[in-house]
Amino acid sequence: AQSVTQLDSQVPVFEEAPVELRCNYSSSVSVYLFWYVQYPNQGLQLLLKYLSGSTLVESINGFEAEFNKSQTSFHLRKPSVHISDTAEYFCAVTPFRGSARQLTFGSGTQLTVLP
Amino acid sequence: GAGVSQSPSNKVTEKGKDVELRCDPISGHTALYWYRQSLGQGLEFLIYFQGNSAPDKSGLPSDRFSAERTGGSVSTLTIQRTQQEDSAVYLCASSQPGQGPQYFGPGTRLTVT
Repeated sequence: AQSVTQLDSQVPVFEEAPVELRCNYSSSVSVYLFWYVQYPNQGLQLLLKYLSGSTLVESINGFEAEFNKSQTSFHLRKPSVHISDTAEYFCAVTPFRGSARQLTFGSGTQLTVLP
Repeated sequence: GAGVSQSPSNKVTEKGKDVELRCDPISGHTALYWYRQSLGQGLEFLIYFQGNSAPDKSGLPSDRFSAERTGGSVSTLTIQRTQQEDSAVYLCASSQPGQGPQYFGPGTRLTVT
Protein backbone atom coordinates (compact mmCIF):
# COMPACT_ATOMS: atom_id res chain seq x y z
CA ALA A 1 0.00 0.00 0.00
CA GLN A 2 1.02 3.59 -0.53
CA SER A 3 0.46 6.80 1.38
CA VAL A 4 1.14 10.43 0.50
CA THR A 5 1.71 13.26 2.95
CA GLN A 6 1.35 16.91 2.11
CA LEU A 7 2.32 18.61 5.33
CA ASP A 8 1.12 22.09 4.42
CA SER A 9 -2.63 22.43 4.00
CA GLN A 10 -2.42 26.16 3.27
CA VAL A 11 0.43 28.15 1.72
CA PRO A 12 -0.04 31.91 1.31
CA VAL A 13 2.63 33.68 -0.71
CA PHE A 14 3.03 37.08 -2.31
CA GLU A 15 3.04 37.48 -6.06
CA GLU A 16 6.47 37.05 -7.69
CA ALA A 17 7.83 35.26 -4.61
CA PRO A 18 9.16 31.68 -4.81
CA VAL A 19 7.14 28.79 -3.43
CA GLU A 20 7.70 25.16 -2.48
CA LEU A 21 4.86 22.71 -1.85
CA ARG A 22 6.06 19.64 -0.03
CA CYS A 23 5.15 16.04 -0.79
CA ASN A 24 6.46 12.90 0.88
CA TYR A 25 5.32 9.38 0.15
CA SER A 26 5.57 5.94 1.67
CA SER A 27 5.52 2.76 -0.39
CA SER A 28 6.86 -0.77 -0.24
CA VAL A 29 7.24 -0.78 -4.05
CA SER A 30 8.56 1.65 -6.62
CA VAL A 31 6.06 4.29 -7.68
CA TYR A 32 5.32 6.84 -10.34
CA LEU A 33 4.63 10.35 -9.02
CA PHE A 34 2.32 13.11 -10.14
CA TRP A 35 1.23 16.60 -9.27
CA TYR A 36 -2.32 17.63 -10.12
CA VAL A 37 -3.82 21.13 -9.85
CA GLN A 38 -7.44 21.98 -9.16
CA TYR A 39 -8.65 25.50 -9.88
CA PRO A 40 -11.85 26.66 -8.14
CA ASN A 41 -14.91 24.74 -9.27
CA GLN A 42 -12.93 22.76 -11.82
CA GLY A 43 -11.68 19.19 -12.17
CA LEU A 44 -8.14 17.93 -11.63
CA GLN A 45 -5.54 18.84 -14.24
CA LEU A 46 -2.24 17.01 -14.60
CA LEU A 47 0.58 19.45 -13.83
CA LEU A 48 3.61 17.20 -14.15
CA LYS A 49 4.71 13.60 -13.80
CA TYR A 50 7.75 11.52 -12.96
CA LEU A 51 7.79 8.13 -14.67
CA SER A 52 11.51 7.53 -15.27
CA GLY A 53 14.69 9.24 -16.40
CA SER A 54 15.72 12.66 -15.12
CA THR A 55 14.61 13.20 -11.56
CA LEU A 56 13.83 16.87 -12.29
CA VAL A 57 10.61 17.36 -14.23
CA GLU A 58 9.11 20.61 -15.44
CA SER A 59 5.69 21.87 -16.47
CA ILE A 60 4.89 24.33 -19.23
CA ASN A 61 3.87 27.05 -16.76
CA GLY A 62 7.12 27.24 -14.79
CA PHE A 63 6.58 24.66 -12.06
CA GLU A 64 9.16 21.96 -11.44
CA ALA A 65 9.43 18.97 -9.13
CA GLU A 66 12.35 16.80 -8.16
CA PHE A 67 12.06 13.13 -7.30
CA ASN A 68 14.30 12.25 -4.38
CA LYS A 69 14.22 8.51 -3.82
CA SER A 70 16.34 8.51 -0.66
CA GLN A 71 14.07 11.06 1.00
CA THR A 72 10.91 9.68 -0.64
CA SER A 73 9.95 13.20 -1.66
CA PHE A 74 8.56 14.94 -4.72
CA HIS A 75 8.39 18.62 -3.77
CA LEU A 76 6.87 21.13 -6.18
CA ARG A 77 8.59 24.48 -6.73
CA LYS A 78 8.13 27.65 -8.71
CA PRO A 79 10.66 30.52 -8.61
CA SER A 80 8.07 33.28 -9.11
CA VAL A 81 4.33 32.80 -8.66
CA HIS A 82 1.44 34.64 -10.29
CA ILE A 83 -2.04 35.41 -9.02
CA SER A 84 -3.34 32.85 -11.52
CA ASP A 85 -1.43 30.07 -9.72
CA THR A 86 -3.93 30.26 -6.86
CA ALA A 87 -5.39 26.75 -6.69
CA GLU A 88 -5.27 23.50 -4.75
CA TYR A 89 -2.37 21.21 -5.55
CA PHE A 90 -2.44 17.45 -5.05
CA CYS A 91 0.50 15.07 -5.01
CA ALA A 92 -0.27 11.48 -6.05
CA VAL A 93 1.48 8.14 -6.56
CA THR A 94 0.71 4.87 -8.29
CA PRO A 95 2.67 1.58 -8.15
CA PHE A 96 5.31 0.95 -10.78
CA ARG A 97 4.17 -2.66 -11.12
CA GLY A 98 1.25 -4.82 -10.11
CA SER A 99 -2.44 -4.82 -10.85
CA ALA A 100 -3.37 -1.88 -8.62
CA ARG A 101 -3.27 1.16 -10.87
CA GLN A 102 -5.31 3.65 -8.88
CA LEU A 103 -3.80 6.90 -7.67
CA THR A 104 -3.22 7.50 -3.99
CA PHE A 105 -3.54 11.21 -3.27
CA GLY A 106 -2.25 13.49 -0.58
CA SER A 107 -4.69 15.73 1.26
CA GLY A 108 -3.86 18.72 -0.92
CA THR A 109 -2.21 22.10 -0.43
CA GLN A 110 -4.15 25.29 -1.03
CA LEU A 111 -1.79 27.81 -2.62
CA THR A 112 -3.02 31.39 -2.34
CA VAL A 113 -1.05 34.05 -4.17
CA LEU A 114 -1.50 37.50 -2.67
CA PRO A 115 -1.10 40.77 -4.60
CA GLY B 1 -8.96 16.26 -28.74
CA ALA B 2 -11.96 15.64 -26.51
CA GLY B 3 -11.26 15.06 -22.87
CA VAL B 4 -13.10 13.00 -20.29
CA SER B 5 -16.72 14.05 -20.04
CA GLN B 6 -19.12 13.47 -17.17
CA SER B 7 -22.83 13.99 -16.76
CA PRO B 8 -24.71 15.45 -15.10
CA SER B 9 -22.47 18.21 -13.78
CA ASN B 10 -24.74 18.64 -10.76
CA LYS B 11 -27.27 16.31 -9.21
CA VAL B 12 -29.53 16.99 -6.26
CA THR B 13 -31.46 14.02 -4.97
CA GLU B 14 -33.53 13.08 -1.95
CA LYS B 15 -32.25 10.64 0.61
CA GLY B 16 -33.20 7.11 -0.33
CA LYS B 17 -33.34 7.67 -4.09
CA ASP B 18 -31.05 5.95 -6.60
CA VAL B 19 -28.73 7.97 -8.85
CA GLU B 20 -26.68 7.21 -11.96
CA LEU B 21 -23.57 9.12 -12.91
CA ARG B 22 -22.07 8.81 -16.36
CA CYS B 23 -18.47 8.99 -17.60
CA ASP B 24 -17.25 9.08 -21.18
CA PRO B 25 -13.47 8.49 -21.29
CA ILE B 26 -10.92 9.72 -23.78
CA SER B 27 -11.08 7.68 -26.99
CA GLY B 28 -8.48 4.90 -26.98
CA HIS B 29 -8.04 4.89 -23.20
CA THR B 30 -8.62 1.37 -21.95
CA ALA B 31 -8.35 2.17 -18.25
CA LEU B 32 -11.15 4.01 -16.43
CA TYR B 33 -11.30 5.05 -12.79
CA TRP B 34 -13.87 6.52 -10.44
CA TYR B 35 -12.85 8.65 -7.46
CA ARG B 36 -14.80 10.60 -4.88
CA GLN B 37 -13.79 13.98 -3.47
CA SER B 38 -15.35 15.15 -0.25
CA LEU B 39 -14.38 17.68 2.40
CA GLY B 40 -13.80 15.19 5.14
CA GLN B 41 -12.18 12.39 3.17
CA GLY B 42 -10.19 14.09 0.41
CA LEU B 43 -9.76 12.17 -2.83
CA GLU B 44 -10.72 8.49 -2.54
CA PHE B 45 -10.43 5.74 -5.12
CA LEU B 46 -13.68 3.87 -5.79
CA ILE B 47 -13.32 1.46 -8.73
CA TYR B 48 -11.01 0.72 -11.68
CA PHE B 49 -11.73 -0.89 -15.06
CA GLN B 50 -8.97 -2.14 -17.36
CA GLY B 51 -10.04 -3.53 -20.71
CA ASN B 52 -11.97 -6.78 -20.37
CA SER B 53 -10.50 -7.68 -16.97
CA ALA B 54 -12.66 -7.93 -13.88
CA PRO B 55 -12.92 -4.47 -12.28
CA ASP B 56 -11.04 -3.62 -9.10
CA LYS B 57 -13.87 -2.73 -6.71
CA SER B 58 -11.72 -2.49 -3.60
CA GLY B 59 -12.53 1.18 -3.01
CA LEU B 60 -16.32 1.00 -3.08
CA PRO B 61 -17.53 2.12 0.38
CA SER B 62 -20.64 -0.07 0.55
CA ASP B 63 -22.75 -2.47 -1.49
CA ARG B 64 -25.02 0.45 -2.38
CA PHE B 65 -22.33 1.50 -4.86
CA SER B 66 -21.85 -0.28 -8.17
CA ALA B 67 -20.41 0.54 -11.58
CA GLU B 68 -20.36 -0.94 -15.02
CA ARG B 69 -18.52 -0.21 -18.22
CA THR B 70 -20.26 -1.04 -21.47
CA GLY B 71 -18.34 -1.88 -24.63
CA GLY B 72 -15.07 -0.89 -23.03
CA SER B 73 -16.00 2.77 -23.19
CA VAL B 74 -18.77 4.59 -21.29
CA SER B 75 -19.11 3.87 -17.58
CA THR B 76 -22.01 4.38 -15.19
CA LEU B 77 -21.63 4.67 -11.43
CA THR B 78 -24.84 3.82 -9.58
CA ILE B 79 -25.58 4.69 -5.98
CA GLN B 80 -28.67 3.03 -4.53
CA ARG B 81 -30.66 4.34 -1.59
CA THR B 82 -28.53 7.47 -1.34
CA GLN B 83 -27.51 8.78 2.07
CA GLN B 84 -26.40 12.27 3.07
CA GLU B 85 -22.84 11.06 3.52
CA ASP B 86 -22.80 10.23 -0.21
CA SER B 87 -22.76 13.97 -0.98
CA ALA B 88 -19.46 14.63 -2.76
CA VAL B 89 -17.92 15.34 -6.14
CA TYR B 90 -17.55 12.14 -8.15
CA LEU B 91 -14.61 12.23 -10.53
CA CYS B 92 -13.90 9.96 -13.45
CA ALA B 93 -10.47 9.52 -15.03
CA SER B 94 -9.05 7.53 -17.91
CA SER B 95 -5.59 6.52 -19.05
CA GLN B 96 -3.80 4.60 -21.75
CA PRO B 97 -2.62 1.04 -21.07
CA GLY B 98 0.32 0.79 -18.71
CA GLN B 99 1.27 3.47 -16.24
CA GLY B 100 0.42 6.57 -18.22
CA PRO B 101 -1.00 9.52 -16.33
CA GLN B 102 -4.71 9.66 -15.60
CA TYR B 103 -6.80 12.44 -17.11
CA PHE B 104 -9.79 13.62 -15.14
CA GLY B 105 -13.24 14.79 -16.10
CA PRO B 106 -14.89 17.86 -14.57
CA GLY B 107 -16.81 15.78 -12.03
CA THR B 108 -20.41 15.39 -10.93
CA ARG B 109 -21.38 17.24 -7.78
CA LEU B 110 -23.90 15.08 -5.91
CA THR B 111 -25.99 16.60 -3.14
CA VAL B 112 -28.25 14.34 -1.10
CA THR B 113 -30.93 16.26 0.82
